[in-house]
Amino acid sequence: QVQLVQSGAEVKKPGASVRLSCKSSGFIFSNYAMHWVRQAPGQSLEWMGWINVADGNTEYPQKFQGRVTITRDTSASTAYMELSSLRSEDTAVYYCARFVAAGAPDYWGQGTLVTVSS
Amino acid sequence: DIVMTQSPDSLAVSLGERATINCKPSQSVFYSSNNKNLLAWYQQKPGQPPKLLINWASTRESGVPDRFSGSGSGTDFTLTISSLQAEDVAVYYCLQYYITLSFGGGTKVEIK
Repeated sequence: QVQLVQSGAEVKKPGASVRLSCKSSGFIFSNYAMHWVRQAPGQSLEWMGWINVADGNTEYPQKFQGRVTITRDTSASTAYMELSSLRSEDTAVYYCARFVAAGAPDYWGQGTLVTVSS
Repeated sequence: DIVMTQSPDSLAVSLGERATINCKPSQSVFYSSNNKNLLAWYQQKPGQPPKLLINWASTRESGVPDRFSGSGSGTDFTLTISSLQAEDVAVYYCLQYYITLSFGGGTKVEIK
């Protein structure tokens, strides 16, 4: 069955970076693309970017340009999201979600809580 | 960017009654190349990731009860729960995937 398993919770200090992972199984990783979406406590969902697994092309919203980097390791069927220069407002649950071209994200990881606190 | 305006923010409905949630993208999400609206609906329960209910504005995902339905086109969409069940208590989000991704603000559905 399709599974996206994310890495565990992180606690970081302001100014630090965090790298999250999302390991895929149950489907052909390179046939899909992967979004990253975050959700601050009590808030809606916010798109952070996506990667085309086949060719590694990425796209990020302007809000996160220069601060977020999404990569993948096809041999490990794993996608990664690194967020730098962390601030308290980055405290959120971060999700990975797979999608196919011109489709909505269908399967989501369980989420990773990132807490940014001094 | 496409801004998604979702209403109401919260909704209390009696068991067995109808719940209706609205979503208005700031521009059309109709994709003429495949004649589909690139809009989806998700259900999220506490501590869980969003679950895809409806794709292409009106296509129910496999396993989703038929009391859930989506309708609309262009810039005006609706999610309807025809007969609310206790297990439907959740927050519901619309999502456009016409230009990158953007989500509505969410609608919390509760039992009256």
